[in-house]
Amino acid sequence: DQQVKQNSPSLSVQEGRISILNCDYTNSMFDYFLWYKKYPAEGPTFLISISSIKDKNEDGRFTVFLNKSAKHLSLHIVPSQPGDSAVYFCAASARGSNYQLIWGAGTKLIIKP
Amino acid sequence: DAGITQSPRHKVTETGTPVTLRCHQTENHRYMYWYRQDPGHGLRLIHYSYGVKDTDKGEVSDGYSVSRSKTEDFLLTLESATSSQTSVYFCAISRDRGTGELFFGEGSRLTVL
Repeated sequence: DQQVKQNSPSLSVQEGRISILNCDYTNSMFDYFLWYKKYPAEGPTFLISISSIKDKNEDGRFTVFLNKSAKHLSLHIVPSQPGDSAVYFCAASARGSNYQLIWGAGTKLIIKP
Repeated sequence: DAGITQSPRHKVTETGTPVTLRCHQTENHRYMYWYRQDPGHGLRLIHYSYGVKDTDKGEVSDGYSVSRSKTEDFLLTLESATSSQTSVYFCAISRDRGTGELFFGEGSRLTVL
């Protein structure tokens, strides 16, 4: 039973365009959401996060949107650059679960020149 | 970059043999974690530590044990490796638990034949 789902295993986007990565969750107790980025042969690196009291958080080219009623979050990258090609993981945590992170399976983003 | 080193980075072993993976940090962070990453599953927490000699189980702890005798070192032991434990193992550290912002090592690829 996957509580955090990334239904697109891969996504291909033209350089300069917007990349939209999606994530759905089932546990309404999740109150903190994060995106991580991972290059091959490296560990994941933290990208951006959002608390459940917000619906948007922005950091440079990266914006995360949270729709609590739909239990959906998305990561927007504008404009997409070749260095953005990586696997993106969303993760969620709940205070009641001692903040243990639950991870999605990841989406591989490919930026085409 | 956070100072986290994992060793060994690659290991091939046979079913039934014991294996120990080491994680060493130079950041003096309180929390340390061991995750495994498998295709289609994202990252899954094996065990974590919230201080010296203080550890707790994650969602996939069966077949694994951990020890933390010093702040900087967190060991993951497979007492008797099985083929289902073939995976990439990541160590992570964090200053606190609430934010979910983890710093990861580069991973240890374990193959159990």
